Amino acid sequence: ETGVTQTPRHLVMGMTNKKSLKCEQHLGHNAMYWYKQSAKKPLELMFVYNFKEQTENNSVPSRFSPECPNSSHLFLHLHTLQPEDSALYLCASSQEGQRNQPQHFGDGTRLSIL
Amino acid sequence: GDSVTQMEGPVTLSEEAFLTINCTYTATGYPSLFWYVQYPGEGLQLLLKATKADDKGSNKGFEATYRKETTSFHLEKGSVQVSDSAVYFCALRLNTGGFKTIFGAGTRLFVKA
Repeated sequence: ETGVTQTPRHLVMGMTNKKSLKCEQHLGHNAMYWYKQSAKKPLELMFVYNFKEQTENNSVPSRFSPECPNSSHLFLHLHTLQPEDSALYLCASSQEGQRNQPQHFGDGTRLSIL
Repeated sequence: GDSVTQMEGPVTLSEEAFLTINCTYTATGYPSLFWYVQYPGEGLQLLLKATKADDKGSNKGFEATYRKETTSFHLEKGSVQVSDSAVYFCALRLNTGGFKTIFGAGTRLFVKA
């Protein structure tokens, strides 16, 4: 499924670098999400955007900064990350306001912090 | 609070064996229930869903029935294939108060030829 596209697929960065993850959805959805998936830990919801407005921030450190310029694009800006931030970062979208709608996921960005 | 509990893995089966992955939930109101699958190197994909009590979701030979009386949504398949090796996530979506989706921890399935 190519409805949600994430770039890059892999990213290696040092702790002092600044980089951004990009997510684009082609499904006409009005809500977008960032999740962190680490080995042997449950999926962690980081941020939720609904109609471009951030509606949830689950106590995420400020070194992660989301941006949602429109309902089709979502970014995650990264700065001064720590080794424990190495993980798979998944973007998802859904149509809010309609009952029973699932989330659609991208294939993720595998992030490694040196 | 609202939560999803699924059996810990990994689950290892031989090809053509019967699969059950247990999932129970706690939720206020009447959530929708989902199973997602994650193949290696990919994101999560919707496998099946059920939106009300006694509904049965099915797809690709997998089935799960929404059991309100036992608050369960167990995933079953009669005959697994090697290609079913993946991580399976049970999830619920609240249909009130922000429509939040809550995921279980995931169960890894290995199928041997």
